[in-house]
Amino acid sequence: DGGITQSPKYLFRKEGQNVTLSCEQNLNHDAMYWYRQDPGQGLRLIYYSQIVNDFQKGDIAEGYSVSREKKESFPLTVTSAQKNPTAFYLCAARDTPTDTQYFGPGTRLTVL
Amino acid sequence: QKEVEQNSGPLSVPEGAIASLNCTYSDRGSQSFFWYRQYSGKSPELIMFIYSNGDKEDGRFTAQLNKASQYVSLLIRDSQPSDSATYLCAVKTVYGNKLVFGAGTILRVKS
Repeated sequence: DGGITQSPKYLFRKEGQNVTLSCEQNLNHDAMYWYRQDPGQGLRLIYYSQIVNDFQKGDIAEGYSVSREKKESFPLTVTSAQKNPTAFYLCAARDTPTDTQYFGPGTRLTVL
Repeated sequence: QKEVEQNSGPLSVPEGAIASLNCTYSDRGSQSFFWYRQYSGKSPELIMFIYSNGDKEDGRFTAQLNKASQYVSLLIRDSQPSDSATYLCAVKTVYGNKLVFGAGTILRVKS
């Protein structure tokens, strides 16, 4: 079954904790993206990676970090420096010929 | 001015009517445009993409692109209650392989 998986579906973080969100894809796409969505708002780009071992900051990278050691995996770490992390986090992979981004099911992060 | 603008709605249409969703963008050099549907609590799913001026049809959906006026629209014919969702317009940036999303239009189809 091809697609993009994200885990966990729900995540609760205490103040001062770092948490890591998982994103895996078996679509063989080179480029992957992380977005944040707040209620009533569109998607804002956090980080993206166009190839293994390379990534770029998006519009709201402060307080987040990523790695891209394997083509299939693009984990996102929400650090304690991110002051308002409660949001819906979406991972996507891009189909190069059409530039279409396909999304995983998302992780809903709540700060306690 | 926001890069991609959509009317937040909600847009309410009766079942069976045509729903018209609009999106304007600021970067005149943009070449690729996407419509996504997002149900409450779920991730966005692609409806269709359009690159060329004019209309592109896929089933009950038609995307319309006018690069001179910098707008792209989505028409949904024979609207169904299951079409009730938020519709996101996305535009590929001129530089870099990124999408810029509008805030979305909420569509409500009433039976």
